[in-house]
Amino acid sequence: QKEVEQNSGPLSVPEGAIASLNCTYSDRGSQSFFWYRQYSGKSPELIMSIYSNGDKEDGRFTAQLNKASQYVSLLIRDSQPSDSATYLCAVFDQTGANNLFFGTGTRLTVIP
Amino acid sequence: EAGVAQSPRYKIIEKRQSVAFWCNPISGHATLYWYQQILGQGPKLLIQFQNNGVVDDSQLPKDRFSAERLKGVDSTLKIQPAKLEDSAVYLCASSLGYGNTIYFGEGSWLTVV
Repeated sequence: QKEVEQNSGPLSVPEGAIASLNCTYSDRGSQSFFWYRQYSGKSPELIMSIYSNGDKEDGRFTAQLNKASQYVSLLIRDSQPSDSATYLCAVFDQTGANNLFFGTGTRLTVIP
Repeated sequence: EAGVAQSPRYKIIEKRQSVAFWCNPISGHATLYWYQQILGQGPKLLIQFQNNGVVDDSQLPKDRFSAERLKGVDSTLKIQPAKLEDSAVYLCASSLGYGNTIYFGEGSWLTVV
């Protein structure tokens, strides 16, 4: 069974600060990684995908991947109260079935 | 572009009753998924369809859960009889195919009392 581990939080940061969310995964062969944002009572929404080692930036979001350490992270710069949500790390299953394995999510609260 | 549609959004049933959830994926998406998300946990795959064939149902409790996608478009997930531990959000998702982005519907919230 593939494992995706996240700190459940809650993680609290002040408005304008950098929020750092971390995720580790067990399957060394994994190639595709995703961050979903889930507001309370809503469905997961894809915010970032990353496939290669290094950083990938999209606006205030930066995803970082280190396959050797089996580690993926999400940085949110200039955090806003609207960023308060649960962030789910997901790893794509490479073994034939086209589906995602999710972590339990990290709950982020941005304090105004 | 219309998203993944699900109904009903909310359902409360007593244990041992039955319930059915419906999903209409994004147009043209060949792959359809049903995930179960229990409060405080990440989504867990129940079943995956490619067109109208089952790709993976290894995590589906087949003694009480069933799902079908007869014409390769809409899908129905049924639970009979329901247990208290089935209380969760049932998320339908779809994608164009292997390696493509997976998009989620709003979910169907089930409470079993």
